[in-house]
Amino acid sequence: EDQVTQSPEALRLQEGESSSLNCSYTVSGLRGLFWYRQDPGKGPEFLFTLYSAGEEKEKERLKATLTKKESFLHITAPKPEDSATYLCAVQAGNTGFQKLVFGTGTRLLVSP
Amino acid sequence: NAGVMQNPRHLVRRRGQEARLRCSPMKGHSHVYWYRQLPEEGLKFMVYLQKENIIDESGMPKERFSAEFPKEGPSILRIQQVVRGDSAAYFCASSPRDGVEKLFFGSGTQLSVL
Repeated sequence: EDQVTQSPEALRLQEGESSSLNCSYTVSGLRGLFWYRQDPGKGPEFLFTLYSAGEEKEKERLKATLTKKESFLHITAPKPEDSATYLCAVQAGNTGFQKLVFGTGTRLLVSP
Repeated sequence: NAGVMQNPRHLVRRRGQEARLRCSPMKGHSHVYWYRQLPEEGLKFMVYLQKENIIDESGMPKERFSAEFPKEGPSILRIQQVVRGDSAAYFCASSPRDGVEKLFFGSGTQLSVL
């Protein structure tokens, strides 16, 4: 069964204090690994898709990396507006559409 | 360009009543997904629809739940005879076609069953 485990469950950082969020996965043939951001009371908002081990993508203060077993979301010099829940999801290789398996997320709080 | 619209945002039902959740995909999108988020759990896939067709409903409970996406109008997720365990946030997402890089999610409907 496809599974996604995210750690830590919650993370509190000071503004400017860089850190990384972890996403470990087991999937029957990875078609894609996705990172989404979710603010309270809102739906997930797409951040990145990674397709193969060694791939990296960046957007502002965020950088996502992928290995064969896990993905990291690195946050460099975070700001309070980066506070949100970050969700990781995988799409198995045997589905041609986005039947995603999500982790439970990491709740990030960045204090000024 | 409006995003994915879901209504109502909050829905309160008593046990045994019916709940109808609506989702209008982004303009130009003909593929709709429904996901459910239970407290302290991750988002769970429920069903994938294209216009007038259910493509995959493997995540839907076998009883009481149904979904449709008619040729005209929004997609509807219908829950009959609701129970307390149905209380959750229900999210709809859309995409323009298969195999796209990302989904666009609505803000969800929070269903509370008393």
